[in-house]
Amino acid sequence: AQKVTQAQTEISVVEKEDVTLDCVYETRDTTYYLFWYKQPPSGELVFLIRRNSFDEQNEISGRYSWNFQKSTSSFNFTITASQVVDSAVYFCALSLMFSGGYNKLIFGAGTRLAVHP
Amino acid sequence: DGGITQSPKYLFRKEGQNVTLSCEQNLNHDAMYWYRQDPGQGLRLIYYSQIVNDFQKGDIAEGYSVSREKKESFPLTVTSAQKNPTAFYLCASSIVPGQTYSGNTIYFGEGSWLTVV
Repeated sequence: AQKVTQAQTEISVVEKEDVTLDCVYETRDTTYYLFWYKQPPSGELVFLIRRNSFDEQNEISGRYSWNFQKSTSSFNFTITASQVVDSAVYFCALSLMFSGGYNKLIFGAGTRLAVHP
Repeated sequence: DGGITQSPKYLFRKEGQNVTLSCEQNLNHDAMYWYRQDPGQGLRLIYYSQIVNDFQKGDIAEGYSVSREKKESFPLTVTSAQKNPTAFYLCASSIVPGQTYSGNTIYFGEGSWLTVV
């Protein structure tokens, strides 16, 4: 089965706290990509990061960091020193290749993050 | 600026009525997609198109139709056969990968809210 699980439905933190959003995926494919998207109240999905299955190096971009562990099929996202502007719904997604080179995104249900002043 | 434009932002549909959601992109992407998002859930794929005059059903195509007459445009029609059309609809696009799967990033528009009245 191909599946993405984001067990945390909602998280509420106070500004400047660190917060980690969990993502666990299932696939039998050996080649796949993982994504994180941010959906602010306006609705648009904003691309944050793409990671392929052969690259387990952690990545840091400003206050954002990602921890990819194939052994546990997890791709967790940490926001350091959270800010009110980080309030949004965050989606983890798994990309698989189908015939013709088309890649399909399988989304988790999302985690709603509320950062309070 | 390059991007994906969806219109209208809000649309109300009467029972038994067909409505069309517009999606235009100027990113020169070959592939375009339509996703549906229900409250508290992830996104589900309705239709996708990798090239002009060709499109394929996604996971929840029943009650929807699309066309791809131009590279830039991928309108979605929600027909009266769709029994529960109230949702948030997101259009997306990406480059088409070549023979090598590369997990191309899918970029999203700002979405359209459809409500049945």
